[in-house]
Amino acid sequence: DAKTTQPPSMDCAEGRAANLPCNHSTISGNEYVYWYRQIHSQGPQYIIHGLKNNETNEMASLIITEDRKSSTLILPHATLRDTAVYYCIVRVNTGNQFYFGTGTSLTVIP
Amino acid sequence: KAGVTQTPRYLIKTRGQQVTLSCSPISGHRSVSWYQQTPGQGLQFLFEYFSETQRNKGNFPGRFSGRQFSNSRSEMNVSTLELGDSALYLCASSGDYAWETQYFGPGTRLLVL
Repeated sequence: DAKTTQPPSMDCAEGRAANLPCNHSTISGNEYVYWYRQIHSQGPQYIIHGLKNNETNEMASLIITEDRKSSTLILPHATLRDTAVYYCIVRVNTGNQFYFGTGTSLTVIP
Repeated sequence: KAGVTQTPRYLIKTRGQQVTLSCSPISGHRSVSWYQQTPGQGLQFLFEYFSETQRNKGNFPGRFSGRQFSNSRSEMNVSTLELGDSALYLCASSGDYAWETQYFGPGTRLLVL
C-alpha cells in the first residue's frame, strides 16, 4: 500500500471549515483513499473514502486531485467534538488491512 | 444496527501470563481484523479472519494468535506476555469483500506489569 504524508498537527476555529491535506504521491490506480479519525484513544471512526471522484457524506467531503497524488478532507463546520487524530490511508482493494500512518492531530479552538 | 463490541475493555496482567481478548463484529460482517496501538509504533495490523480462516497476517511474533468462530466472533490470544505488549488492542469488522469499509470497536486496553 502507498505511504501517506500528513502534517502532524493543525488548529481550526470552531465553526470554520477544517481542511486536512494528505499526500499520497505513490498511489496506484486501484488504491482507494480512506479517512478515519480517532478521538482520545477510542476506536478509529470511519469518515469517508474515494477512488478518484470527489465524495461527500454527512460528516465530510473528500477532494482528490486529478492526478490522485494528494487529497483533502474537509469538515465544513468544525465543532469541538471534531478534535481528534485524523488518519489518511490508501489501500488496495484486495488486501483487507489498513496501514495507518501517524495522522494529523486536529484541535478545534473555541 | 449494533456496532463492534470488544471485551473486556480493560485488563491488567503480569509478565509471562497469557491473555484472551474477544471481539463481536457487526451483525452480518464475516471479516474481523485485529490491530495493536502503542504510542511508539502507532496502529499496526495484526491479522484478519474471514469465515473462520486467517486471511491476512501482519508482522507480529507467533505469541500473537487468533481464531474465529462460526458466528464470526473472534478472539485473539497473546501468550507469554511482555511489558511491550501493553497497548490498545482494536478489532474491526467488515463485509465479505476486501474493499468494504472496516468499522472499529472501542478497543481493549491491556497493561502488562
